[in-house]
Amino acid sequence: DGGITQSPKYLFRKEGQNVTLSCEQNLNHDAMYWYRQDPGQGLRLIYYSQIVNDFQKGDIAEGYSVSREKKESFPLTVTSAQKNPTAFYLCASSITGTGNTIYFGEGSWLTVV
Amino acid sequence: EDQVTQSPEALRLQEGESSSLNCSYTVSGLRGLFWYRQDPGKGPEFLFTLYSAGEEKEKERLKATLTKKESFLHITAPKPEDSATYLCAVSSNTGKLIFGQGTTLQVKP
Repeated sequence: DGGITQSPKYLFRKEGQNVTLSCEQNLNHDAMYWYRQDPGQGLRLIYYSQIVNDFQKGDIAEGYSVSREKKESFPLTVTSAQKNPTAFYLCASSITGTGNTIYFGEGSWLTVV
Repeated sequence: EDQVTQSPEALRLQEGESSSLNCSYTVSGLRGLFWYRQDPGKGPEFLFTLYSAGEEKEKERLKATLTKKESFLHITAPKPEDSATYLCAVSSNTGKLIFGQGTTLQVKP
């Protein structure tokens, strides 16, 4: 089945630790995105990538890093510099170009312990 | 500044009681308006894309419409399984996708 796979579904992070969320897609989409969702707030863009080996900061990139070495994969690292990382993280992908529909994965819950 | 506002924040309906959700937007050049359904703890599921005023799309009990200032998601004779949060998002000339806060719909049997 074509789709976007995020892992793990649940992740716990200790203070001062970096963690990486995985995102893989087999839709042959060029563009990939990471969003953060907090209760009572809309989705906020962390990073996006329109093509392999290139990515851009979104609205809340501080404390996060990404890589795009393969078309299918766009991992997100939540670094210790992110002060409030507890949230629901969503990976998405689309055909490149403004106005194209983006499709989401099932999400990953990150909790700081 | 580009902005998307959804109303109401929450809506409770009896099964079979039709209603509409609203998505008002102000953007610099609309490139597309998107509706998603999100169940608790899951990623948003794509429903519709609308590109120009006057456009309408339907899927089962849902119908989305678009004007120059807003979009409506009409729900006809809803069932309990339609309970979810419905998200609206707008793509503008800037290339950004802006999401509304969502409307949480509860349909009681």
